[in-house]
Amino acid sequence: EVQLVESGGGLVQPGGSLRLSCVGSGFTFSDHYMDWVRQAPGKGLEWVGRIRAKGNGYTTEYAASVKGRFIISRDDSKKSVYLQMNSLRIEDTAVYYCTRLTAYRYFYYMDVWGKGTTVTVSS
Amino acid sequence: DIQMTQSPSSLSAFVGDRITITCRASQSLKSYLNWYQQKPGEVPKLLIYGASILQSGVPSRFSGRGSGTDFSLTISNLQPEDFATYYCQQTSSPVFSFGPGTKVDIK
Repeated sequence: EVQLVESGGGLVQPGGSLRLSCVGSGFTFSDHYMDWVRQAPGKGLEWVGRIRAKGNGYTTEYAASVKGRFIISRDDSKKSVYLQMNSLRIEDTAVYYCTRLTAYRYFYYMDVWGKGTTVTVSS
Repeated sequence: DIQMTQSPSSLSAFVGDRITITCRASQSLKSYLNWYQQKPGEVPKLLIYGASILQSGVPSRFSGRGSGTDFSLTISNLQPEDFATYYCQQTSSPVFSFGPGTKVDIK
């Protein structure tokens, strides 16, 4: 079964840091770009960022709202992707989803989603 | 960054109705537009990619069309399980973005 499982969420104070992890199974993890998406309570989906595969140099992209504060990395030997979140703000409170990016021709889409992990930033 | 808008923000419909949700981009996406469905308490699910390509396993009552800046998602013969929030997503830019969502509920 193709699956993504996130972990690492929790309560953190403003200005603090947290590291989320996501483990993939049931597919060739190293072949895929991996994205993070978040959803604040009662709000819509917000794309957070991406890490590409080894063949594309493990390069990353970030949303403007998190650029300079969040870092995405991966360890293909562990079939894992990570989201290091620094200088956390109250507005970073959300459920964070790990997603698999699949490509068909030049079309990219998120076809596998984890169940999410909750991050709460509060004093 | 590319901005996405959706209309309406919410709509009420009867089972069996045909509904259309529109999505507009701030610049041309060609056909790099996806649609997702999210039911309350559930994880988003991919419905359509490439503006009109139905994801495997998605019922044929869902269809997508459009290119450039204007897109639409149509659900024919609305079923009880289709009441959910629908999001468009642009993948034209390396920095993806989602629309604000359209909530579809029962009339």
